[in-house]
Amino acid sequence: QQQVKQSPQSLIVQKGGISIINCAYENTAFDYFPWYQQFPGKGPALLIAIRPDVSEKKEGRFTISFNKSAKQFSLHIMDSQPGDSATYFCAAWGPNNNDMRFGAGTRLTVKP
Amino acid sequence: GAGVSQSPRYKVAKRGQDVALRCDPISGHVSLFWYQQALGQGPEFLTYFQNEAQLDKSGLPSDRFFAERPEGSVSTLKIQRTQQEDSAVYLCASSQTSLPYEQYFGPGTRLTVT
Repeated sequence: QQQVKQSPQSLIVQKGGISIINCAYENTAFDYFPWYQQFPGKGPALLIAIRPDVSEKKEGRFTISFNKSAKQFSLHIMDSQPGDSATYFCAAWGPNNNDMRFGAGTRLTVKP
Repeated sequence: GAGVSQSPRYKVAKRGQDVALRCDPISGHVSLFWYQQALGQGPEFLTYFQNEAQLDKSGLPSDRFFAERPEGSVSTLKIQRTQQEDSAVYLCASSQTSLPYEQYFGPGTRLTVT
């Protein structure tokens, strides 16, 4: 069922560094690409999302870069902080689906 | 305001038992989704309600899984004759519109089948 491939599986970054997580999708009908942040014992929380009519969207320290031709999108976390340590999921949705398709997740650890 | 709540938070069931998992969405939210999240994986879609209507149940893994939302608010996911492979976190999400944009997730119910 998984139509969204996410990498890396885990990532360790020093405080203040840039965290980059990548996702690739297959279905060209997808037109909504959110990123979710999940802390242990909690449900995923929407972080930032992009539609394919723009190539980049920035909210605070979080930026999504979108490459429609390559069918890839990525999350960049600038000035990473220990509090950013969590699991991050990319996802994709299109009008032909009722469900959001999630990547397998990236466990981010930011070392102080 | 209150977010999405789920109960119980943890459930241990013996193989063959029936379980019922409850979701209280955000008040007024039209759409409600159930997902299954295996350990170390992303959520996988189970079923979708728009108000009280179950519009998509294509993700339910077997006929042992049943979901309802009779009054368009609270939803229950029922699993009959639980199996070990049913062990997972079951997440509920709700959305203000008929589309899955800006889904708000509950904390999940961790089901362990022994």
